[in-house]
Formats: sequence, C-alpha cells, structure tokens
Amino acid sequence: DSGVTQTPKHLITATGQRVTLRCSPRSGDLSVYWYQQSLDQGLQFLIQYYNGEERAKGNILERFSAQQFPDLHSELNLSSLELGDSALYFCASSLRDSKVYEQFFGPGTRLTVL
Amino acid sequence: AQSVSQHNHHVILSEAASLELGCNYSYGGTVNLFWYVQYPGQHLQLLLKYFSGDPLVKGIKGFEAEFIKSKFSFNLRKPSVQWSDTAEYFCAVANYGGSQGNLIFGKGTKLSVKP
Repeated sequence: DSGVTQTPKHLITATGQRVTLRCSPRSGDLSVYWYQQSLDQGLQFLIQYYNGEERAKGNILERFSAQQFPDLHSELNLSSLELGDSALYFCASSLRDSKVYEQFFGPGTRLTVL
Repeated sequence: AQSVSQHNHHVILSEAASLELGCNYSYGGTVNLFWYVQYPGQHLQLLLKYFSGDPLVKGIKGFEAEFIKSKFSFNLRKPSVQWSDTAEYFCAVANYGGSQGNLIFGKGTKLSVKP
C-alpha cells in the first residue's frame, strides 16, 4: 500500500459524458501528478499540482482539467468523453515538486467509455 | 522532447535465469533515471533510481541497473529471477525541463517467469 488512494476503482460510462476521478495523496505530500496508461500510448504524464497550484502540463487534452484542493486531494475531470479516453488513470504524490523526491503511485482508476 | 525506449515488449524466462531489460533515453545532459515495477493488479512501485555518482545502482529485491552515459542506457539486471518477479517493468526519466518532477516513461516490458 503506497498511501495514495484513488476513487473509484472502476468507472464505466458512455461517450459524451463527464466524469471526475479523485486522488488523495500520502499524508504530508504536497505534490500530485496525474498519468494516463493506455495500450497504445503507454504511461503518459498529464498534469502536476503542487500545494494547490498547477506546476506542469503534459499531454493533457483540453477536454480534461484538474485541480488540487486546500486539503491537498486532487480531482481529474474528463468531459465529452470519447472511446479513446478508455484507460487506466494513475495519481502519484511526492513530498515536494522536485524530481529528487520519489513519487508514490495510487492503484489507479480504470475508465471504460462505451 | 525527451523520450525513453524499452527494447523488449515481452520477455519470458525460466526461474533462476538471468535478466537484463534494456532502456535507452534521448536526453544528452544530466539525467535522473528510474525503474518502476507493476505487479499484476497492483500499483507502480519504485525499484531503483539513479541521480549521480556510482553508475551501478542497487535496488530492492535484488535488482540493479547500470547507467552508461556514452550509450544513453540504463539497463535493469537481476542475476537469478523468481516466479514472483512476474510483472511489468517501466523505465522512466525525470523531465529535465525545469524543477518539476514529472516522469517520462517507456512503454514497459512485461516479464513472465515460468516456475
């Protein structure tokens, strides 16, 4: 158990819908990262937050957005869903926002878009 | 842009065989390199990391990796694999564009160990 929790574990929805994925970082960690794992693209970095502020953006679509709340949990919002958005979405947390700090990964949310 | 390539998509070994998984990265400057493992149904876990110093890095569970700067490689090794090493292995490099710690991953290598 890494200490990072993600809900829900599985999510099945239809094209065009909107979903919210939730991540609670390890106690004391200020930085949260979101990654998407799909068969064709592999593991890709989406976005990073540090202490409530957006720090870095990766290959995140405009239909996707995220935020980190004062209690440091984070939510990833996916809208106008397409079949290709089906993937495993991981959240990771680290103490600070520097690469020297190890990232601890959550169990992931498996999103299926039908 | 930085990239990471892992040569083998799927490796099948018998128990006690030696393992070497290839990883090459594209960035020519200072790099921070990682190997993560994902056991079936579990989250990603850090096996080992290289930041600087001794290019031979020892990690958990008997794994080690060697950083060879001239070859842009960071191969993962284990002298004798066990059935419990069956998992997917990911090589990653820390994005050097700034101080942020986001990781760029390779596509992963699935390791199957036959008992």
